[in-house]
Amino acid sequence: NAGVMQNPRHLVRRRGQEARLRCSPMKGHSHVYWYRQLPEEGLKFMVYLQKENIIDESGMPKERFSAEFPKEGPSILRIQQVVRGDSAAYFCASSPRVQGRTDTQYFGPGTRLTVL
Amino acid sequence: GEDVEQSLFLSVREGDSSVINCTYTDSSSTYLYWYKQEPGAGLQLLTYIFSNMDMKQDQRLTVLLNKKDKHLSLRIADTQTGDSAIYFCAESIRGGGNKLTFGTGTQLKVEL
Repeated sequence: NAGVMQNPRHLVRRRGQEARLRCSPMKGHSHVYWYRQLPEEGLKFMVYLQKENIIDESGMPKERFSAEFPKEGPSILRIQQVVRGDSAAYFCASSPRVQGRTDTQYFGPGTRLTVL
Repeated sequence: GEDVEQSLFLSVREGDSSVINCTYTDSSSTYLYWYKQEPGAGLQLLTYIFSNMDMKQDQRLTVLLNKKDKHLSLRIADTQTGDSAIYFCAESIRGGGNKLTFGTGTQLKVEL
């Protein structure tokens, strides 16, 4: 059973370009979470998605950031018009999420975004 | 409010025990987790404890939870050089939608 897959592992963008980060959850997991880790800091929650639904986006910046988890294919975190402050490691996690209780999240290897 | 704190660094000698501490502020925590992050890698789940438990042991790892003081610790017995990494504690909160709130991480350095 493959773990959580993220690609690309490293992404370099110039200011003003778009960044698209992909996450394929573990087999059998229908819940995806995105976190951001700034240099020398812990992880900060961004967004929680189920298939075709955004459940909690309380950690997402109001502008330039969006996320989706379509019925088919990976979850995508999209950052438009990137700025240097977007440089960070972006981690995806997935869980099977049984209704009514918290389920353990398993993390991918992360995408390290560098904005020049 | 949500706030999880950890000391930044810990240095131990190989073979000694390591104790990594974490404090949290939200009394609505349901589960508390310990993750390990090696350089350039993702987070590896080490262990977790439900908030109504006091202790959990898993091979070399012992988790202690003092709910009254909102204090969580991870003890690693017989610490090895391969244990050198950053250790994060994290909490999930009842009604918080399953999102995790992470501490700042403790960098563990194991010396020969």
